[in-house]
Amino acid sequence: GAGVSQSPRYKVAKRGQDVALRCDPISGHVSLFWYQQALGQGPEFLTYFQNEAQLDKSGLPSDRFFAERPEGSVSTLKIQRTQQEDSAVYLCASSLSTGQGNGYTFGSGTRLTVV
Amino acid sequence: GDSVTQMEGPVTLSEEAFLTINCTYTATGYPSLFWYVQYPGEGLQLLLKATKADDKGSNKGFEATYRKETTSFHLEKGSVQVSDSAVYFCALRSGSNYQLIWGAGTKLIIKP
Repeated sequence: GAGVSQSPRYKVAKRGQDVALRCDPISGHVSLFWYQQALGQGPEFLTYFQNEAQLDKSGLPSDRFFAERPEGSVSTLKIQRTQQEDSAVYLCASSLSTGQGNGYTFGSGTRLTVV
Repeated sequence: GDSVTQMEGPVTLSEEAFLTINCTYTATGYPSLFWYVQYPGEGLQLLLKATKADDKGSNKGFEATYRKETTSFHLEKGSVQVSDSAVYFCALRSGSNYQLIWGAGTKLIIKP
């Protein structure tokens, strides 16, 4: 597609529920990133994929968070046993390559509210 | 490590006023510099970028010049509109580092 597509746009989960957030990057973009953005804050890095390889998951806040990109295109961020502090906007971004002049293209995000 | 510092917000201006949002950075080598904008309820959009010293990025009336001597990348616009109200993020990407390093963001409020 023309841009990065994320779904769902909004998700309300009961505490303890598992959720799966989807990201469909721009076709051909090698790099894919997940960020977490709390209200009024800047984005916080979660994880990075180069094609299907997850090269950095240092930002994942706990082992309840898991991300995959099995075929090097669509990615899924899964959060198990959601807690209230997981409430945030989850942003996906993709980039054509790792060249430093390339900015990222962001999706509109998934707003997760845990009640 | 690399870092980005932005002026704190909110910045409140009247329509047609001149805008400057300051951004300074610390980085080894020669980073690429970016400004992103986030409108209410939306994701981040790349506004402009510069990849080497003295480059000027420009888009939608906004511009920023990569100043290596002052390690700055200030965002400017000559005449702001209400529709420019948003949060603006300065960021850098350095060398082989795939991560963007973000400033804290500056909220801009334009009053009619």
